[in-house]
Amino acid sequence: EAQVTQNPRYLITVTGKKLTVTCSQNMNHEYMSWYRQDPGLGLRQIYYSMNVEVTDKGDVPEGYKVSRKEKRNFPLILESPSPNQTSLYFCASRSGTAYNSPLHFGNGTRLTVT
Amino acid sequence: GQSLEQPSEVTAVEGAIVQINCTYQTSGFYGLSWYQQHDGGAPTFLSYNALDGLEETGRFSSFLSRSDSYGYLLLQELQMKDSASYFCAVVDAGNMLTFGGGTRLMVKP
Repeated sequence: EAQVTQNPRYLITVTGKKLTVTCSQNMNHEYMSWYRQDPGLGLRQIYYSMNVEVTDKGDVPEGYKVSRKEKRNFPLILESPSPNQTSLYFCASRSGTAYNSPLHFGNGTRLTVT
Repeated sequence: GQSLEQPSEVTAVEGAIVQINCTYQTSGFYGLSWYQQHDGGAPTFLSYNALDGLEETGRFSSFLSRSDSYGYLLLQELQMKDSASYFCAVVDAGNMLTFGGGTRLMVKP
């Protein structure tokens, strides 16, 4: 089954404790992206990657890191989480070549930073 | 940069027709997409318009006017399961998507 898998689904942590949210897709998509979703603000892009070893900042990259060592994986790293990073996070992927190709989203990770 | 505006909330009754509007300001516009998201779920793709006009997919249709920087999603024969948030998203020349803030649709019996 074609899917984007992100883990964990729920995560509660404390300020400053490094964490990683994993994301993996099995559709051989070139493009992968991370979004955060906050009430009233829609989906805001954190980082994206057009292909292996290529990553770029989105609209809200501060406090986040990503890596794209393999085509299928795109982990999101919070080196020193802060309470303002409490949010719902989505990983997504799509074919990088067609403008009409849809984004496929993972099921989300609800992060709480205390 | 890109900016998109859509109403924050729309309410309609079962069986009715509802239109969710989206206006955008962008550089290098290529197309407008729509996504649906149920509470607690992930967004799912509904439609994509690159050219002016109406695209129909079952009960859902999406319209685009490039000259007016405007589009809408039309939902017909509303069902309770259509209660969800709907997001418009602009595709730009770099094949990047920027999302609007979302419209929460509540369908009442």
